[in-house]
Amino acid sequence: DADVTQTPRNRITKTGKRIMLECSQTKGHDRMYWYRQDPGLGLRLIYYSFDVKDINKGEISDGYSVSRQAQAKFSLSLESAIPNQTALYFCATSAQTGGYNEQFFGPGTRLTVL
Amino acid sequence: GEDVEQSLFLSVREGDSSVINCTYTDSSSTYLYWYKQEPGAGLQLLTYIFSNMDMKQDQRLTVLLNKKDKHLSLRIADTQTGDSAIYFCAESPNTGFQKLVFGTGTRLLVSP
Repeated sequence: DADVTQTPRNRITKTGKRIMLECSQTKGHDRMYWYRQDPGLGLRLIYYSFDVKDINKGEISDGYSVSRQAQAKFSLSLESAIPNQTALYFCATSAQTGGYNEQFFGPGTRLTVL
Repeated sequence: GEDVEQSLFLSVREGDSSVINCTYTDSSSTYLYWYKQEPGAGLQLLTYIFSNMDMKQDQRLTVLLNKKDKHLSLRIADTQTGDSAIYFCAESPNTGFQKLVFGTGTRLLVSP
């Protein structure tokens, strides 16, 4: 079984709809991240969480919110989806270490906003 | 500021060597990473280098680091069709929060 899972894998929605993307991990890591990937732009950090009570904005958090329901679960919400939020979304996890930061990625959710 | 740059595409023939280049901006990065993304999948760590090293070799992979020029490269020897993927370099600025700043990704296409 995959260590980091994301649901759904694909989603098509309409402008203005509320969307939730879910991420679960079995690695026992405290740190979890949400990224979006756009062609030619690489990965950009949306939100990150160091533990259940510690949630922080990344570089592109506008239009997004998150919820850390448990150590293993981190959800990303688009309150009112817009077309420029069409992208590939990745969840990632990492352990708390001194300096070395290997992140483990889920398979991604492809979101299309019409 | 943080800006990690890579060329977008590289095309090679099977059996040739591939060299993917990356320039980064934050000299405080303790580790620099190469991630591989295969079609339809998430990113997976390929290799990394500690900032006090100039070179790291791991089977077919060679990582070179030039700290003076803030230049990182990944060489894949005897490139195979299975190496076709997107390769991301990433820096980890020493800002207290060990975030990763990813490059734009280089799509490597290996033709038979």
